[in-house]
Amino acid sequence: QSVLTQPPSVSGAPGQRVTISCTGSGSNIGANYDVHWYQQLPGTAPKLLISGNSNRPSGVPDRFSGSKSGTSASLAITGLQAEDEADYYCQSYDISLSGSVVFGGGTKLTVL
Amino acid sequence: EVQLVESGGGLVQPGRSLRLSCTASGFTFGDYGLSWVRQAPGKGLEWVGLIRSKDFAGTREYAASVKGRFTISRDDSKSVAYLQMNSLKTEDTAVYYCSRVVVVGATYAFDIWGQGTMVTVSS
Repeated sequence: QSVLTQPPSVSGAPGQRVTISCTGSGSNIGANYDVHWYQQLPGTAPKLLISGNSNRPSGVPDRFSGSKSGTSASLAITGLQAEDEADYYCQSYDISLSGSVVFGGGTKLTVL
Repeated sequence: EVQLVESGGGLVQPGRSLRLSCTASGFTFGDYGLSWVRQAPGKGLEWVGLIRSKDFAGTREYAASVKGRFTISRDDSKSVAYLQMNSLKTEDTAVYYCSRVVVVGATYAFDIWGQGTMVTVSS
């Protein structure tokens, strides 16, 4: 099991809004460590999508947004497009693992 | 263009060693930490370890699953980072990505990724 828990899959129709949750604990997200999100298109390397909970790197559309509260974080995608079909991963830091970077298990987004 | 290119992957027998390289271009390599992240076939991302920049004494951190077997090093004069993998196990089979580390708050994010190199551990 991953230290950060994500739903295995989510789906939505084009134009809809979907959210992906990332649930941690008091030793990672709840310890005030930032959460970052990555998008991995099929057959490609991951790409940084959101950093520092809610900041979009240059070039990332504003349809993607992130938030964090307590021991959880969320990625929201509005105006869903076919090209958004990908795997999404959250990532943070955990103080209980001798100092360790941790990833969520990943969520497969299907655009119906 | 900012770029990372991994090399050195291949087929190796259990118990043997392999060294991966990550060659950087388009940015001042010595100013950044470098991390290795792997992905087993059909599975999610797993952090392997990182090496900080010289400004942070080039210190390293490793995941528990590879600690004592894997070593990350860097040669800033060549803009290359290495992942030395010893005592390889079948469960080390994965695509290995190197990524550039940026400090965000009290955490690390990975803003540039290479294309990955496949390592298969099998007899």
